[in-house]
Amino acid sequence: EPEVTQTPSHQVTQMGQEVILRCVPISNHLYFYWYRQILGQKVEFLVSFYNNEISEKSEIFDDQFSVERPDGSNFTLKIRSTKLEDSAMYFCASRDTRSGSYEQYFGPGTRLTVT
Amino acid sequence: GIQVEQSPPDLILQEGANSTLRCNFSDSVNNLQWFHQNPWGQLINLFYIPSGTKQNGRLSATTVATERYSLLYISSSQTTDSGVYFCAVTAGGTSYGKLTFGQGTILTVHP
Repeated sequence: EPEVTQTPSHQVTQMGQEVILRCVPISNHLYFYWYRQILGQKVEFLVSFYNNEISEKSEIFDDQFSVERPDGSNFTLKIRSTKLEDSAMYFCASRDTRSGSYEQYFGPGTRLTVT
Repeated sequence: GIQVEQSPPDLILQEGANSTLRCNFSDSVNNLQWFHQNPWGQLINLFYIPSGTKQNGRLSATTVATERYSLLYISSSQTTDSGVYFCAVTAGGTSYGKLTFGQGTILTVHP
């Protein structure tokens, strides 16, 4: 069964460094999402991406964040200058719009630790 | 935006017991999904259930969209069922489909 993959599974970085989190959505899915979960809290929406552009973003998704689909398979989240409060689990998800379903398929997550 | 409330916040069971988790939402929805977050932090998709009833083994779920709630039933619970259960919805009328999550129910099953 096709699945969403994410790399790395765990990333440790120093405050102020740039990080890129990578995701490979399910092939032929057209909507892509990033969510984050700070330890012990609920999962929060960051951004959605469709047709090579951001379709919706939350208040959390400020200028230090950016997303990109550099090729036909990868979907990336870049954090330009990491802060301690960016430490969280980051989930990528994708959705198949052709079927009319709104079901989202989640990757296993990347645990980001900022020191 | 749409509000999602889950209850109870914590649930402790003995192995073999049954349980019901509830998810209330404040507006019409296009999507409702139940997830189990395992000890490694992964979100395991249990059900996609914007309406109706589904069953998968010991788990079943019912969504009554007109009354804006969903229930997740776990029967004959096992220690491996422990973890956090999240309900997440997509508000009706939105095309981009972002999910709004509840706070979760922490389930602990003792042997």
